[in-house]
Amino acid sequence: AQKVTQAQTEISVVEKEDVTLDCVYETRDTTYYLFWYKQPPSGELVFLIRRNSFDEQNEISGRYSWNFQKSTSSFNFTITASQVVDSAVYFCALSEGRGTSYDKVIFGPGTSLSVIP
Amino acid sequence: GAVVSQHPSWVICKSGTSVKIECRSLDFQATTMFWYRQFPKQSLMLMATSNEGSKATYEQGVEKDKFLINHASLTLSTLTVTSAHPEDSSFYICSAGQDRGAGQPQHFGDGTRLSIL
Repeated sequence: AQKVTQAQTEISVVEKEDVTLDCVYETRDTTYYLFWYKQPPSGELVFLIRRNSFDEQNEISGRYSWNFQKSTSSFNFTITASQVVDSAVYFCALSEGRGTSYDKVIFGPGTSLSVIP
Repeated sequence: GAVVSQHPSWVICKSGTSVKIECRSLDFQATTMFWYRQFPKQSLMLMATSNEGSKATYEQGVEKDKFLINHASLTLSTLTVTSAHPEDSSFYICSAGQDRGAGQPQHFGDGTRLSIL
């Protein structure tokens, strides 16, 4: 069965610090997709990244970077030089299947990040 | 980009009332939509998969008669919470798939906060 674990329930950092959010997943499928979403206090979900199981290249997008390691079933998310606007709950998620947007997405418990000015 | 509209964004009603929540894909057709429920400080839990023109597929533990889902067109799915009680108070979020092949994430609505008095 699929499972996503985010061991860090809450993290607080001071502005400009780097922070890494951990995500560990479980799946029996060889084809699967991993996601990160941001949920600010207003509640809407903001899509950050999608990665398939065959692509282990790390990715950087501005202050955001992601480290995907199949050997440890981890898909960690790092925010460099954190800002107050980064304060939100971050969800790691997993879907198995063909990789279409019709596949079920299972969310991890989330990590609440507070960036203190 | 693809937009999913959810209405209403906030509803407060008395216990015993039935409440309907709409999820619309504004600029694309969605044969499949998903309904999630999120309790405070918790993760998104998938309730059901809504399929256009057919019955919804409910996750284990979700009462079909309590949460009625109708997906009558390619752009609209509705979730009706029947005879709502305070324990049904939650944040309900829908998502829709815009499938252009592998690599497309689901698009989420902004959610509906339901408060039952």
